[in-house]
Amino acid sequence: NAGVMQNPRHLVRRRGQEARLRCSPMKGHSHVYWYRQLPEEGLKFMVYLQKENIIDESGMPKERFSAEFPKEGPSILRIQQVVRGDSAAYFCASSPPLGMNTEAFFGQGTRLTVV
Amino acid sequence: DQQVKQNSPSLSVQEGRISILNCDYTNSMFDYFLWYKKYPAEGPTFLISISSIKDKNEDGRFTVFLNKSAKHLSLHIVPSQPGDSAVYFCAALSNSGYALNFGKGTSLLVTP
Repeated sequence: NAGVMQNPRHLVRRRGQEARLRCSPMKGHSHVYWYRQLPEEGLKFMVYLQKENIIDESGMPKERFSAEFPKEGPSILRIQQVVRGDSAAYFCASSPPLGMNTEAFFGQGTRLTVV
Repeated sequence: DQQVKQNSPSLSVQEGRISILNCDYTNSMFDYFLWYKKYPAEGPTFLISISSIKDKNEDGRFTVFLNKSAKHLSLHIVPSQPGDSAVYFCAALSNSGYALNFGKGTSLLVTP
């Protein structure tokens, strides 16, 4: 899973600031998935993107959260006006074209702490 | 709603013995099940999977058993090694979806 790169690894934000989490998928992968892991919880699906398209964002909070996967560059998960409850580990996974989620490989995650 | 449940938060096993990690699910639409292993400060790593058309899948020291009628699966590790100490997540996928549904994980400690 070393091929999926997430940065930063750790991010500290004050309440009300914006957090931007980046994910570069494995080479050749055009599908990206974001998951969130709250303390003492399992990973929860947030959003599934393909290049320039959001396929499913049913797991995303309705407000303050957005995601994109542009034609060029990494996928970005953006959290506006962060609150303490946003503190979590955010994991990105990627899969190849036409691959199913079962072939997804995870990055090392970004640990967001809101103070 | 937690559709995938791992009721044992932790498990301690002696090196060389068998580790058995359990997982229950509630959604009958799930048809593919996976186990992931996770070390602290790292992302989950795929370990082994099983389709609902099978009841057993084996890969080296790891075997996953599926009991569809009971909506239960288990991961057996034998023999257990200290390097197996990690958090193990059970995950499920429905045939119409692509979002993995994860359990809360079981922390396995293998002692020498």
